Order: sequence, then C-alpha cells, then structure tokens
Amino acid sequence: QKEVEQDPGPLSVPEGAIVSLNCTYSNSAFQYFMWYRQYSRKGPELLMYTYSSGNKEDGRFTAQVDKSSKYISLFIRDSQPSDSATYLCAMKNTGRRALTFGSGTRLQVQP
Amino acid sequence: EAGVAQSPRYKIIEKRQSVAFWCNPISGHATLYWYQQILGQGPKLLIQFQNNGVVDDSQLPKDRFSAERLKGVDSTLKIQPAKLEDSAVYLCASSAVAGRFYEQYFGPGTRLTVT
Repeated sequence: QKEVEQDPGPLSVPEGAIVSLNCTYSNSAFQYFMWYRQYSRKGPELLMYTYSSGNKEDGRFTAQVDKSSKYISLFIRDSQPSDSATYLCAMKNTGRRALTFGSGTRLQVQP
Repeated sequence: EAGVAQSPRYKIIEKRQSVAFWCNPISGHATLYWYQQILGQGPKLLIQFQNNGVVDDSQLPKDRFSAERLKGVDSTLKIQPAKLEDSAVYLCASSAVAGRFYEQYFGPGTRLTVT
C-alpha cells in the first residue's frame, strides 16, 4: 500500500466550475501538507502549504487538511483553462527529510 | 530572478551506457535536491545537498547513481550503467533555507529514455 494515494484522473470540468482534488494517506505522523501544480514538460511549483489540520485560502485556492480522516483536499474556484495541469499532493513528517508525493491528478478545464 | 537550470533537456541512451545531468540552482540557494519522476508517479527524492555536503541519500541507488555538488553551487547526477527502469524525468530543485523545505523551486527536468 502506498503511503499517499491520489486519483490519477483525468478530471475534466467546464470553465468556471469548482474543482475538488483529494489525497488520502496512511502515515499518521505526517504533519506538513503541500499542493504542487505541474504543467506538461515543467517542474512542479508550490501552490499551497499547510501545517497540521485546518483550512488555508489563497485567492481561488483553498487547502483543507483533516488529520482524523487522513484526508487532504484542494479546492479551485472559478476554474480557468490555465489551471489545466497535474496537481500533486506532498507530505512530510518531522522525522524524515524527504517529501512523500502522491502520483498526481491530471485536471483539464474545458473553455 | 533566474530559475533552476538543467541540461540536457532530453537524453536517449542504450542500457549499460552512462549518462550525466547538470543542474545550476537559483543563486544563493544553499539546499539542492535531485528527484526521479517516473511517468505517472510523483517525484521521489534521490539526494539532498546542504551547500556541498550530502544530508540525505537514503533513496539513491548507490551501486549505479552518484552525485556531487562542487563548491556548493552546480551539481551533477550520474548514472553508470543505466538500466531500462531508469527511464524517467530527473528533476533538480533548490531552496534558500533547508528548513523551508516546502519552498522548493524546480527546474524543467531532464527526460531520460533508456532503450
């Protein structure tokens, strides 16, 4: 069983829709949670960073962490065609240097 | 501010050959990471440098992979000999401060195909 599970998609939505992307994890020691966006043929770029549980909002993006359910989400409001990319969740605990990434969800926003 | 530079962008080699990748991090960034991203998977950390010292190489297949970061700036990652399963994108990333591990800036990657 992978430590971090993420539905690969593709997830196709119309422009303007609210998008929900999710990851589940098995390691209860994870305390740091991140979402990265990766465009085709590019490296990942950080979108959101959250420590422990709770919500965090940045513009059209909202990250949620539910540690009791071992479940994290990224919501994108008013989705745009430019949001079409692969979204990777990543996690870390204090005892490990490396980030553990999910396999990514491919999102397509149709104009 | 210039981003992380990597070269080459693409490389095709036959199995058992050797290959080297180069990375130039963002100026002033002390921490440098090499990741392997196999198609359909998330990046996996191979090695992390703090200045020119290795702080984590626990997932580096040391029988065939090696990396160095001379003078705490540029870095090279080498594979010798390559196997078919080494086909992947090799990403280099850097961060200004090791503690801000989430603020990693990634380069565009080198896409390696081993035939």
